[in-house]
Amino acid sequence: GAGVSQSPSNKVTEKGKDVELRCDPISGHTALYWYRQSLGQGLEFLIYFQGNSAPDKSGLPSDRFSAERTGGSVSTLTIQRTQQEDSAVYLCASSFPASGDRELFFGEGSRLTVL
Amino acid sequence: AQSVTQLDSQVPVFEEAPVELRCNYSSSVSVYLFWYVQYPNQGLQLLLKYLSGSTLVKGINGFEAEFNKSQTSFHLRKPSVHISDTAEYFCAVSGSSASKIIFGSGTRLSIRP
Repeated sequence: GAGVSQSPSNKVTEKGKDVELRCDPISGHTALYWYRQSLGQGLEFLIYFQGNSAPDKSGLPSDRFSAERTGGSVSTLTIQRTQQEDSAVYLCASSFPASGDRELFFGEGSRLTVL
Repeated sequence: AQSVTQLDSQVPVFEEAPVELRCNYSSSVSVYLFWYVQYPNQGLQLLLKYLSGSTLVKGINGFEAEFNKSQTSFHLRKPSVHISDTAEYFCAVSGSSASKIIFGSGTRLSIRP
């Protein structure tokens, strides 16, 4: 596609439910990042993938959070047993580091509201 | 470990005035530095980046930033702002070509007519 696509754009769920957020990066981009943006908190790094592997998972807040990437393309961020503090905008970005250009291309985000 | 500090959460300025948004970083290795902008109700986009070479980097919309290794800073400047510059600005750092990119907490720039 022309840009990074994220779905759903909005998700409202009840506390304790599981949610899956999807990211479809720009075709050919080998690096994929997940960030969380909360009001007044900036962008919090969660995890990044190089191909299908995740060299750095240090930003995942707890073991309720997991992410995978398949085929070097689509990634899914899963939050189990959601809590109200998980409410935020989850941003996905992709890049092509081998080109020497480190620019991240961001999706529009998935806004998660946990009631 | 890398970290980024944006010292000002909000910066109000008058239209056509100059502005400087401050960014300091910490990293034990060579760094790549970035400024991203998020306009109201839009996604983030790259404003400018420092990878190597000249320490003065020019970006879109008349913005520029200077990499200062001794002061570990990468402040963003514009000599004359416009209403359309109203946005949130994020500084970011990466340690190498294959590592995570860490963002600061953002600076909200508001322009007064």
